[in-house]
Amino acid sequence: EAGVAQSPRYKIIEKRQSVAFWCNPISGHATLYWYQQILGQGPKLLIQFQNNGVVDDSQLPKDRFSAERLKGVDSTLKIQPAKLEDSAVYLCATRGGGADSPLHFGNGTRLTVT
Amino acid sequence: AQTVTQSQPEMSVQEAETVTLSCTYDTSENNYYLFWYKQPPSRQMILVIRQEAYKQQNATENRFSVNFQKAAKSFSLKISDSQLGDTAMYFCAFMKHEAAFWDAGNNRKLIWGLGTSLAVNP
Repeated sequence: EAGVAQSPRYKIIEKRQSVAFWCNPISGHATLYWYQQILGQGPKLLIQFQNNGVVDDSQLPKDRFSAERLKGVDSTLKIQPAKLEDSAVYLCATRGGGADSPLHFGNGTRLTVT
Repeated sequence: AQTVTQSQPEMSVQEAETVTLSCTYDTSENNYYLFWYKQPPSRQMILVIRQEAYKQQNATENRFSVNFQKAAKSFSLKISDSQLGDTAMYFCAFMKHEAAFWDAGNNRKLIWGLGTSLAVNP
């Protein structure tokens, strides 16, 4: 079974620039999550999709962050404009089957904002 | 609100020895799940072990086992016969168990600890 694919692996941008991350879930996984993991901390949930609908985006800074999951498969997370404090690893995770099935994580994108 | 506390920011162990990582949590829920995730330098989060709160028996997965003390709200991870590949960040996580048949949205947040950095030394 292919895993959760994320790209790019690394990204360095200057503050106020824009950036986008891409996630391709495991085939058939309906639930998709984006997490932000700042160095030295655990992951923080940004947004959760069920198919192409948003289930929870309560912790997404909507003034600068946006995410979409058109067609309920791939997802993109965008930051516009980026701030220094957005430097983090952005993890995509997906879940298939029932609600108790495990999360599968991608390798993440490490974003550095200078 | 639920919280998860990992009181050991860093730990080290010699190869082939045993190490225990601690985790405590706070919740008023009776039914929930607890997890240990491993995050090696590759950054991918890997599920190590999972425990359902209603099960009294401690979960085990090969060299990994837990000591689940529900009354004390403690969930420690024991790694036996440590290997160099066990070097990683280890995160403890909590999730409520809402057995609602309509919960098709799977809206269950994982509550994460801050992690413990484990170094296995040769």
